[in-house]
Amino acid sequence: RKEVEQDPGPFNVPEGATVAFNCTYSNSASQSFFWYRQDCRKEPKLLMSVYSSGNEDGRFTAQLNRASQYISLLIRDSKLSDSATYLCVVILTGGYQKVTFGIGTKLQVIP
Amino acid sequence: GAVVSQHPSRVICKSGTSVKIECRSLDFQATTMFWYRQFPKQSLMLMATSNEGSKATYEQGVEKDKFLINHASLTLSTLTVTSAHPEDSSFYICSARDQGEPQHFGDGTRLSIL
Repeated sequence: RKEVEQDPGPFNVPEGATVAFNCTYSNSASQSFFWYRQDCRKEPKLLMSVYSSGNEDGRFTAQLNRASQYISLLIRDSKLSDSATYLCVVILTGGYQKVTFGIGTKLQVIP
Repeated sequence: GAVVSQHPSRVICKSGTSVKIECRSLDFQATTMFWYRQFPKQSLMLMATSNEGSKATYEQGVEKDKFLINHASLTLSTLTVTSAHPEDSSFYICSARDQGEPQHFGDGTRLSIL
C-alpha cells in the first residue's frame, strides 16, 4: 500500500458545483497534514492546513479523520480558477521529518 | 506570506555539466529545507531533507554524491547536480519551513540536459 494515496482524476465538474477529494495515508503516526494546489508547470502553493477539528477558508473546507486515516478537501461553488491539481501532504516527525506527497488530484472546472 | 526564492528558473546545458540551484528564504529563518524532483505527470518526489548546519538526509535511491546539498545558513540551501545527464532532466523544487510552520515552495528550476 502506498504511504499516501489520491485519486488522480481528472474530476470534471461544472462551475458552481461542489466537489470533494479524499487522500488516505498508511502511517497512523502521521502528525501534520496539508493541502497544496499546483497549477500546470508551476510550484505547489499552500492551500490550507488540515486539523482534526476541521478547517474552513471561504469556499474550501478541509477535514482530518484519524480513525479512518484520511483527509478530505471540499470545494463549494467551484470557479474556473479552481482548475488545478490538488496535492495532499502528510508529515511524520520522528528522528527526522518525513514528508510525503500524494500524486495529486486533477480538477477541471467547466464553464 | 513567506517567500522562498529559487534560482535559476531554467537551465539548459550539455551532458557532463554540473548545475547548481539556489534556494533562499527571504523573510523567515528556514530551519529545514527540502529538495524535490517532479517528472511530467508525476507527483513531487522528495530527494533530501536538510537542516541548517547538518548533513542532508537523502531518500532511498537518491545518490548523495550525485546530488550535493549544502545548507550553510538559515536562509540558503544549494543543490548541485554533478555531471548531469539527460535522465537528470526534471523539474527541481525546493521548499523551506521554520519549526512548526508549513512548507513554502520556491518557483522551481526546470533542468534540461542535452
